[in-house]
Amino acid sequence: DIVMTQAPLSVSVTPGESASISCRSSKSLLHSNGITYVYWYLQKPGKSPQLLIYRMSNLASGVPDRFSGSGSETDFTLKISRVEAEDVGIYYCGQLLENPYTFGAGTKLELK
Amino acid sequence: EVQLVESGGGLVQPGRSLKLSCAASGFTFSDYYMAWVRQAPTKGLEWVASISYDGGSTYYRDSVKGRFTISRDNAKSSLYLQMDSLRSEDTATYYCTYGGFAYWGQGTLVTVSS
Repeated sequence: DIVMTQAPLSVSVTPGESASISCRSSKSLLHSNGITYVYWYLQKPGKSPQLLIYRMSNLASGVPDRFSGSGSETDFTLKISRVEAEDVGIYYCGQLLENPYTFGAGTKLELK
Repeated sequence: EVQLVESGGGLVQPGRSLKLSCAASGFTFSDYYMAWVRQAPTKGLEWVASISYDGGSTYYRDSVKGRFTISRDNAKSSLYLQMDSLRSEDTATYYCTYGGFAYWGQGTLVTVSS
């Protein structure tokens, strides 16, 4: 199984500042079709997860452009510019390259 | 508007069975692979099973193979998860999802306990 390792496990950010979350996969997520199958999700307190970024760097519909995704074949970053109160929650990276699909352990974002 | 509404969760004893349902609306159900993802209390996300457009192909995580069965009824725009021989470690909120997990239901809680 592909292991997804996130860091840090928690981050505390001052509103208006930026935050970065890292995710590393145990295997390249770059498919032969040129697409990198890493996804980012946010689970707000008491809510279902929501998709933020798909295929490494594509912003999901309705997601503010303060969110961005980048990376290589095995190392990925989610960046949140100008953090707002509504960004609080747990962020997960996930790989949809192959079964079993797997997720990182999550990064909890809190406000200072 | 896309809607995924799960039902069928509850408290069940170890070794017993439970069937979850997911009613889908707001999109062409038969055009998409569907999946179940679960989340144990205070834990992370765990993919459980996926099913192809017509139900002809199914995929499971190892820990549920032989115990869980994913199925769908495209005429009813519904997804199902038959869970047999339930174990305490199956206790979780089960989410119905699709589209690269772009859309999620509200989840249904399954508690396996004596």
